[in-house]
Parts: sequence; C-alpha cells; structure tokens
Amino acid sequence: QVLLVQSGAEVREPGASVKVSCKASGYTFTDSYLHWVRQAPGGGLEWMGWINCNGGGTYYSHKIQGRVTMARDTSIRTVYMELRGLRGDDTAIYYCAREGVGGRLADPFDIWGQGTMVTVSS
Amino acid sequence: EIVLTQSPGTLSLSPGERATLSCRASQSINRNYLAWYQQKPGQAPRLLVYDASTRATDIPDRFSGSVSGTDFTLTISSLEPEDFAMYFCQQYGTSTRTFGQGTKVEIK
Repeated sequence: QVLLVQSGAEVREPGASVKVSCKASGYTFTDSYLHWVRQAPGGGLEWMGWINCNGGGTYYSHKIQGRVTMARDTSIRTVYMELRGLRGDDTAIYYCAREGVGGRLADPFDIWGQGTMVTVSS
Repeated sequence: EIVLTQSPGTLSLSPGERATLSCRASQSINRNYLAWYQQKPGQAPRLLVYDASTRATDIPDRFSGSVSGTDFTLTISSLEPEDFAMYFCQQYGTSTRTFGQGTKVEIK
C-alpha cells in the first residue's frame, strides 16, 4: 500500500521556524517528486514547491522562496519541509503529496499525506 | 504563473441532479495537464480526473472531465450523497503548479 505519513501538529511563535516530515512507503522512493501544499483554515489549496527524491533538486513557489527549504533523506524514505520566519498567515494544514510516477513530463498528485496542522500564535 | 478561476463558488443541488463545475485558465495549459480533486472536511484532497478528461483509479463513471480551449469542466452526472464536498482544479503543465480557489457543492 502506497502511503505518505506526516509528523504531528506543531505550535510556534511568530518569527520561529517549523520542520514537518513526510515518510513514504509502498513504492520506490527515489522514483518520485514530492510536493508540499498548504491550506489555511477554511481556505483553498496553495502549492509551495517540490523536491526530486532522487537527486534532491528543489523548486519553490515565488511567494515563499527564501523562507522555505525542502530536503530528503533517502535512507529513511523521508522528506522534510522547513519554513522560517513564521507569521500568522502561515497558520495552515501542510500536506505532502506525491506526483504520479507515470514517467511522463508531469503528473497530478495521486497520493497525499494526512496533513500536519501548523499554528503560529504568540 | 497560470491563474485558474473556478465558478461558481458554491453550487446548491439535490441528490440525483447534475453538477457542472467550471475552471478557466488564464493561458493555455501544456498538454491539457489539468486535474480535478475532491476534498471532504477533515480529509486530504483526492484525485478524481487528470489530463482534463481521464478518470483516476477507482473513480466512478458519473465523474467526467472535458476541455474547450482554456475552459475546463467537471461534470457529475447524478449527485450521490457522498459527492457533496469541495472541488479544486489544478494545472501541472508548468514547474509552478497552481490551484483554483475551489467550488463547494452543497445539498440544497
């Protein structure tokens, strides 16, 4: 069974950093790109960026570039998303999602993690 | 960046009715790489349709997607109780992926 399992909820003060993990199982980890998507309370989906689980290359949304770092550890099949300089509008559910491994130019997100709630509050 | 505009914001229908959801792109999408996702409260999104008109695995055939130029449509032919949810479109034709703002399908 293909699964993405994320770390638990976090609470941070404004200005702090948070690191969320996403552990993959049930498929060849290095065949995939993993993306991060966030959703503010009652809001829509905002794409944040992706990481190539093979070479480790990354690509970030212009909106948060400079505050975000995505990394992976192939030995434990886990990707990480670190967001720095947290603000109130970073309060959201953060999802990791696998881009389909169809071997095409690009694919939709076929597997999603369960989500991690990050609350930024003083 | 490709902007996706979904309409309507909310669709109020009864079970058994037909639902038609729209997603308009600000420019053409490479290879019609457009997907539709369903999201229920407290759950992660679920892939319904990709490449504008291909149903994902295990998705019932009452869900269908179509495209005309930069206008994409998701149709639910006859609403089942479990179909009342939020629906988002997403383009994956560029390195910068974008989502529409969503359409809520609610029970009338």
